[in-house]
Amino acid sequence: AQSVAQPEDQVNVAEGNPLTVKCTYSVSGNPYLFWYVQYPNRGLQFLLKYITGDNLVKGSYGFEAEFNKSQTSFHLKKPSALVSDSALYFCAVRAPGGGYNKLIFGAGTRLAVHP
Amino acid sequence: DADVTQTPRNRITKTGKRIMLECSQTKGHDRMYWYRQDPGLGLRLIYYSFDVKDINKGEISDGYSVSRQAQAKFSLSLESAIPNQTALYFCATSDLGTGKTGELFFGEGSRLTVL
Repeated sequence: AQSVAQPEDQVNVAEGNPLTVKCTYSVSGNPYLFWYVQYPNRGLQFLLKYITGDNLVKGSYGFEAEFNKSQTSFHLKKPSALVSDSALYFCAVRAPGGGYNKLIFGAGTRLAVHP
Repeated sequence: DADVTQTPRNRITKTGKRIMLECSQTKGHDRMYWYRQDPGLGLRLIYYSFDVKDINKGEISDGYSVSRQAQAKFSLSLESAIPNQTALYFCATSDLGTGKTGELFFGEGSRLTVL
């Protein structure tokens, strides 16, 4: 069965420092991987996805993520954090060939960026 | 105006009451979904619909029902609400054509409290 884990409930980082939000997955075959962000009182917004190709994926708001097949990870990164990046981040995974009814979300990681 | 609109945004009700959450979209997407978000559990799929005549149960459909009134409208009902249905509910859409590799578009959520 496919699954996704976000090992940190919360990540704290100072503004201007690099940030990493971790995600590991388990899926049969080559995974489709996604990151979504949820700002307070808002719905989830798509950040980026990995389907195939270059392992480093660039997305919205300066975020990027690196697909590492050997470590089954898809960590979200940003070189310089902003206070406005503070939000709840979700990693999601599904196996190829399925629809969005097969998309599995992680529990979420709350990112707090301090001035 | 939001592409995916949910009403009501907040609702407090009592155990045993019937509740309907409504979702409408202007994205022209065929596929619509209802998710439930609980702290520490991420998002879990309740029901999904790939077109007006197609309704499917998701991971946690017990205690819920849905109706796809039109391509743009997908409502979620709790026939007899219970306290453990207290949660944040999200409607989402995806495009049939790009649905296999595209992203989900979410409404802003409906916070339901069952006393």
